[in-house]
Amino acid sequence: KAGVTQTPRYLIKTRGQQVTLSCSPISGHRSVSWYQQTPGQGLQFLFEYFSETQRNKGNFPGRFSGRQFSNSRSEMNVSTLELGDSALYLCASSSTGDSYNSPLHFGNGTRLTVT
Amino acid sequence: AQSVTQLGSHVSVSEGALVLLRCNYSSSVPPYLFWYVQYPNQGLQLLLKYTTGATLVKGINGFEAEFKKSETSFHLTKPSAHMSDAAEYFCAVRATSGGSYIPTFGRGTSLIVHP
Repeated sequence: KAGVTQTPRYLIKTRGQQVTLSCSPISGHRSVSWYQQTPGQGLQFLFEYFSETQRNKGNFPGRFSGRQFSNSRSEMNVSTLELGDSALYLCASSSTGDSYNSPLHFGNGTRLTVT
Repeated sequence: AQSVTQLGSHVSVSEGALVLLRCNYSSSVPPYLFWYVQYPNQGLQLLLKYTTGATLVKGINGFEAEFKKSETSFHLTKPSAHMSDAAEYFCAVRATSGGSYIPTFGRGTSLIVHP
């Protein structure tokens, strides 16, 4: 089975621009969640989607948004980029969206640099 | 609310020595606990998880962890460190709260293995 795929692996953007990151979950997984990883703040939860509906949202500003398609693929969008948005963005999928004991399967991330 | 504390941002051991990575959690309801490992330029990979039942959990690569409710701890151990164990390790907790959940990760512990 193919793992979680995130594209692109690296991105360089300028302040004020917007960016879209893509995530393809493991086949059959309907839950997709996104995380921001930085040296200063560690791993922080952004949001989670299940069957095209956002189920949970972390404490991030409205500039961060996402969506999930009918094939479970997910995209994350960040508008009006700030220098502080530079981070590794990780996507994770899990097999059973209603079970809190399902482990997360992570992609290799998208490294976003904002200049 | 839930939280995770990993004691020690860096742990250094010699090859062949015991590995002990500490994790303490806080949760108002019975939690599900996880350890993940992250190698450079990769996403997180599940090492092991505790849900219910046996408190000593065995994972991949010779790692194991013991759930101690009285100490609210879930420390990760390995009897003999290998050079390939050098990586970042994250403890995570998930708990139901009002029907929703947000996974919470510790800040991570970097394991350094000396030859």
